[in-house]
Formats: sequence, structure tokens, C-alpha cells
Amino acid sequence: EVQLLESGGGLVQPGGSLRLSCVVSGFTFSNYGMSWVRQAPGRGLEWVSGITGSGGSTYFPSSVKGRFTISRDNSKNTLYLQMNSLRVEDTAVYFCAKHQDYDPPFDYWGQGSLVTVSS
Amino acid sequence: DIQMTQSPSSLSASVGDRVTITCRASQSISTYLNWYQQKTGKAPKLLIYAASSLQSGVPSRFSGRGSGTDFTLTISSLQPEDFATYYCLQSYTTPWTFGQGTKVEIK
Repeated sequence: EVQLLESGGGLVQPGGSLRLSCVVSGFTFSNYGMSWVRQAPGRGLEWVSGITGSGGSTYFPSSVKGRFTISRDNSKNTLYLQMNSLRVEDTAVYFCAKHQDYDPPFDYWGQGSLVTVSS
Repeated sequence: DIQMTQSPSSLSASVGDRVTITCRASQSISTYLNWYQQKTGKAPKLLIYAASSLQSGVPSRFSGRGSGTDFTLTISSLQPEDFATYYCLQSYTTPWTFGQGTKVEIK
């Protein structure tokens, strides 16, 4: 059974940093791309980062480029999202998601981790 | 960036109704279009990928059509468990972008 479990969310002040983790099981982690997708309270879905199976390539939208870093440790079946220079508008539930293959769609998702950016 | 526009933003329907949701891309995305269902407080669930392929385990009352810029998700006979918000996602090119969502409510 495929499982994804996020952790690391919480309350952080504007300008602060936070690192999310996503531990996976039930599939060969290194064979699949992975992404982070967020959802602000009461809003829609926004893709915020992606990484290839090897970790050799990463992708970001302009809204987070230069502030967020995605990485993975295939020996630990773990995906990470390092978030720096956080803004109030980064407040959201952050989901990790497995790619169906090299690219999306995202076929399995974690339960989400809430990040609140507030003073 | 490719903009994805869903319509309607919300709809009210009854159990047994046929429901169609539309998603339009700001440029051609071939068939790189996927549909998700999300219930309150839960992660999204993949329903349809590559415009018309049914994800394993998804009931056959869900179907998808389209290519290029115009796509539809149809629920042939709405069931009580189908009341949720539906999103389209283009996976043609990064940044991968979602539609704004369509909330399907009970009439």
C-alpha cells in the first residue's frame, strides 16, 4: 500500500524558515518524480515544487523560486521542502504528492501539513 | 504560464443527475489534462488522467474528454459521495497549474 506522511508544519514568523518532510512507503521511491502542492485556507490547489526521481532536476513556479528548495534522500525514502523567507501568503496546507511516472499527474498524496506564517 | 479556467465555479445538482464540468487551457496542452476530486479536509484524489483515462478504482460513471484547449469531466449519474470540489490540472509543462475548482453541491 502506497503511503505518504508529511511532518514539520507549524507556526512561523514572517521572514522565518521551516522544513517539511514526507516519508513514503509502498513503492520504489527513486523511480518516481515527486512534488509539493499547497492549499491556502478556503482556496484552490497550487503546485509549488517538483523533483525528478534521481533528484537531479528540480522545478518551481515563480511564486516560490529562490525561497523554496526541494530535495530527496532516496536511501531514507524521504522528500523535503525547505522554505525560507516565508510570507503570510505562504500560509497553507502543504501536500506531498507522488508522480504517476516521471511527470504528473499526482496519483498519491499525503494527508497534508499545515504551515501558518504569522506574527 | 498556462492558465486553466474551470466552469462553472459551483453548481447544485440532485442525485442521479448528469453533471458536466468544463476546463479550458490558455494554450494547447494536447491531452495533458487530469481531473481530481477533493472532499473537505482531505487530499485530492486522481479521477482521470491524460484527458480520458480512468484511474484505477474510480467508478465508471466518471469520464473525461477533450484535447487541445477544451476539456470536460462528466459524472453520468451523480451519487451522494460525489458531492465535492473538482479540479483540473495541466501537466503539459511547468509550472503545472490547476483550475480554480468547481464545487458540486446538493440541490
